[in-house]
Amino acid sequence: DIVMTQSPLSLPVTPGEPASISCRSSQSLLDGDGHNYLDWYLQKPGQSPHLLIYLGSNRASGVPDRFSGSGSGTDFTLKISRVEAEDVGVYYCMQALQTPHTFGPGTKVDIK
Amino acid sequence: QVQLQQSGPGLVQPSQTLSLTCAISGDSVSSDTAWNWIRQSPSRGLEWLGRTYYRSKWYYDYAVSVKSRITINPDTSKNQFSLQLNSVTPEDSAVYYCARWHHYDRYFDHWGQGTLVTVSS
Repeated sequence: DIVMTQSPLSLPVTPGEPASISCRSSQSLLDGDGHNYLDWYLQKPGQSPHLLIYLGSNRASGVPDRFSGSGSGTDFTLKISRVEAEDVGVYYCMQALQTPHTFGPGTKVDIK
Repeated sequence: QVQLQQSGPGLVQPSQTLSLTCAISGDSVSSDTAWNWIRQSPSRGLEWLGRTYYRSKWYYDYAVSVKSRITINPDTSKNQFSLQLNSVTPEDSAVYYCARWHHYDRYFDHWGQGTLVTVSS
């Protein structure tokens, strides 16, 4: 199975400031078609996870443009350009390359 | 608008069978996608359990960790799919989610509301 790791695991943020989360996979998520099969999900308190980013850098429908994803191979980053109060929750990366799909441990983002 | 509505008991006795159902609206269980079960617990985090999908016939993929105990079944007459997990132990206590898989770009685009299942006598 592909092992996913994230850092940091906890991220206190100040509204209006940028934030960044790192995700690493135990093997490359770059497929032969040139796509990186890495998704980012946000789970807000009391809710199911929902998709933010797919294919490493594509924002899902309705996701604000302050969210961006980057990276390739085994190293990926989720950035929030200016954090808003509604962005609190736990952020997960997940490899979509193969089953079993595996998730990172999550990064809990809260307001300082 | 796709919606997934989960149902099933929140309490299961040890050694018994956990059974959950995910009713689909806005899509068909036989469509060109895959239907998944995922669980979440403090000890194991988010854990993909398995999926079913239809490509001229039904296919099933299961996580090795539960492969001997799990069954995912589609029900075309009711447009839903189910999860059965046999011989449960307290370690199977978790929030269980059903989720739809976007086949081409590979992501979970719709999730059920989650069902907290506690395994206890």
